[in-house]
Amino acid sequence: GAVVSQHPSRVICKSGTSVKIECRSLDFQATTMFWYRQFPKQSLMLMATSNEGSKATYEQGVEKDKFLINHASLTLSTLTVTSAHPEDSSFYICSARVRGGNQETQYFGPGTRLLVL
Amino acid sequence: RKEVEQDPGPFNVPEGATVAFNCTYSNSASQSFFWYRQDCRKEPKLLMSVYSSGNEDGRFTAQLNRASQYISLLIRDSKLSDSATYLCARNSWGKLQFGAGTQVVVTP
Repeated sequence: GAVVSQHPSRVICKSGTSVKIECRSLDFQATTMFWYRQFPKQSLMLMATSNEGSKATYEQGVEKDKFLINHASLTLSTLTVTSAHPEDSSFYICSARVRGGNQETQYFGPGTRLLVL
Repeated sequence: RKEVEQDPGPFNVPEGATVAFNCTYSNSASQSFFWYRQDCRKEPKLLMSVYSSGNEDGRFTAQLNRASQYISLLIRDSKLSDSATYLCARNSWGKLQFGAGTQVVVTP
């Protein structure tokens, strides 16, 4: 399958700071990437769709000014959690869409575990 | 009702046995489905895609029942390494909607 990397894998920060997470497609180009969040024992919840060269599309209830997404190239999308608070502590995972014929699949990065103190 | 629902389990399975579990979905227009495997504190890894009635890959078989709106995953000859949480996802206009996962614990 396609390889997606994420950096950093783990972040511990103080409340009020901003945290930037990078998601890269390593062996393919991804015009569309997705950002998810997963709280303990819960499902992955889609936060936003990141489109190369255009604005991200946010899911209902996700604050676009708090979760800034930039997809500046075909292999990199970044998520910045601005002014992070303890309730933002979660497992953030990105995925990249791969299309083949009329089928499409998402491959996930290894995730970033964020702990806000 | 949630879009995608799964029995959280855990399903405790003796090594070598067969286990099967379902995932129900509410939108009959769903076209494609996926089973992912997620290990503790790790990212989901794609196990299987299902675009028609089902799919089979080695010991894993997925069956899609559109009339009853569920998709099942069957694991034959369970291995200890099959212990994980299995996530069902449906493709909704290019976005994945996930269930909360079914935990499978394979015991020696």
